[in-house]
Amino acid sequence: ETGVTQTPRHLVMGMTNKKSLKCEQHLGHNAMYWYKQSAKKPLELMFVYNFKEQTENNSVPSRFSPECPNSSHLFLHLHTLQPEDSALYLCASSQDPSGEYGYTFGSGTRLTVV
Amino acid sequence: SQQGEEDPQALSIQEGENATMNCSYKTSINNLQWYRQNSGRGLVHLILIRSNEREKHSGRLRVTLDTSKKSSSLLITASRAADTASYFCATLGKGSYIPTFGRGTSLIVHP
Repeated sequence: ETGVTQTPRHLVMGMTNKKSLKCEQHLGHNAMYWYKQSAKKPLELMFVYNFKEQTENNSVPSRFSPECPNSSHLFLHLHTLQPEDSALYLCASSQDPSGEYGYTFGSGTRLTVV
Repeated sequence: SQQGEEDPQALSIQEGENATMNCSYKTSINNLQWYRQNSGRGLVHLILIRSNEREKHSGRLRVTLDTSKKSSSLLITASRAADTASYFCATLGKGSYIPTFGRGTSLIVHP
């Protein structure tokens, strides 16, 4: 375990469903990130939260809605997704927003949209 | 774009051999990081090298950075089957706090 825990590990959902991905870290880190990893593509940054405030939204469609209630928890709420949204969704955290000390990743949630 | 690009895309070697992967990027960076990803899992941080550093070691890993060529290399010595994974470089641009990743190098080490 890296200290960043993601649940669920696998998720299959229909295009009309609403589901949420959860990320939790108890490393004392102040920045948290959502990344999308699709086959044969670089990791795509989706959202960044620094000290619970969203500081980056990388032109992500509104069917993805992040929530950061505190600096230890990060959610990604999903609704009316498309099949092309199927991917591995990775959560990461860093000690501070500068990223000077590297990033700790969770194991990811493998999402399949049917 | 700051995005690092790894080369080669795929590498297949025998156990005991050395594996070298390269990363090139386009603009000035604060640091460059290497990560490993086992199939279907998250990324694991390996080494961070700062722009004023030229070489770092960690166990069987050796990372070099040439800022004049905007490139970095990751060398894994005496590879093991357990080193089979994808390896990614991530660059952190000057003035940025967002790392950008390349597509990765897929390494297969045959026992």
